[in-house]
Amino acid sequence: GAVVSQHPSWVICKSGTSVKIECRSLDFQATTMFWYRQFPKQSLMLMATSNEGSKATYEQGVEKDKFLINHASLTLSTLTVTSAHPEDSSFYICSARGGAGRTGELFFGEGSRLTVL
Amino acid sequence: KNQVEQSPQSLIILEGKNCTLQCNYTVSPFSNLRWYKQDTGRGPVSLTIMTFSENTKSNGRYTATLDADTKQSSLHITASQLSDSASYICVVSAERGSTLGRLYFGRGTQLTVWP
Repeated sequence: GAVVSQHPSWVICKSGTSVKIECRSLDFQATTMFWYRQFPKQSLMLMATSNEGSKATYEQGVEKDKFLINHASLTLSTLTVTSAHPEDSSFYICSARGGAGRTGELFFGEGSRLTVL
Repeated sequence: KNQVEQSPQSLIILEGKNCTLQCNYTVSPFSNLRWYKQDTGRGPVSLTIMTFSENTKSNGRYTATLDADTKQSSLHITASQLSDSASYICVVSAERGSTLGRLYFGRGTQLTVWP
């Protein structure tokens, strides 16, 4: 099946630094990618929807200046956590929509665990 | 309000036993319903996807059912294995034009299989 790759799988950074997470669709073109955040024992929370070549659509309560999303190509979307703080520590997951039509499959990446010290 | 409710929140069963997880939703208009398995610290993996016209779909030992009239779905796991221990997430998609619409996630059922 289709594969979505995230990198890095885990990252530790100092408070105040910025961290970039990449999401790649390896064997299909993804016009839309989604970014989620997941706290321990919680379900996925949609942060933003990223469409190739256009600005991302952010969910209510998600700071667009804090979480910068770039979807420059049909196979790559990036999430940059700017000026990270300990409360930004979380598991970040991306997903990419493959195929066309109403039942287009949705593939998830393996997730990236961010720890801010 | 569009919501997805899953039950039970957690479940412990013995290896080899069967179990059924429930998902009730109020999402409208409905497009499709998906079940995902998420191992701890990993991304979700798709088990099944069902549209309005589908009542049941199987994937190995996993069988999903859908009753679009009552807005209920279930995921039945047969002959459970230790590797089935994971969180099972129900995701419902709202229809929006001809494209995949907004996704609504359940909180998941945490399944633990004991030897």
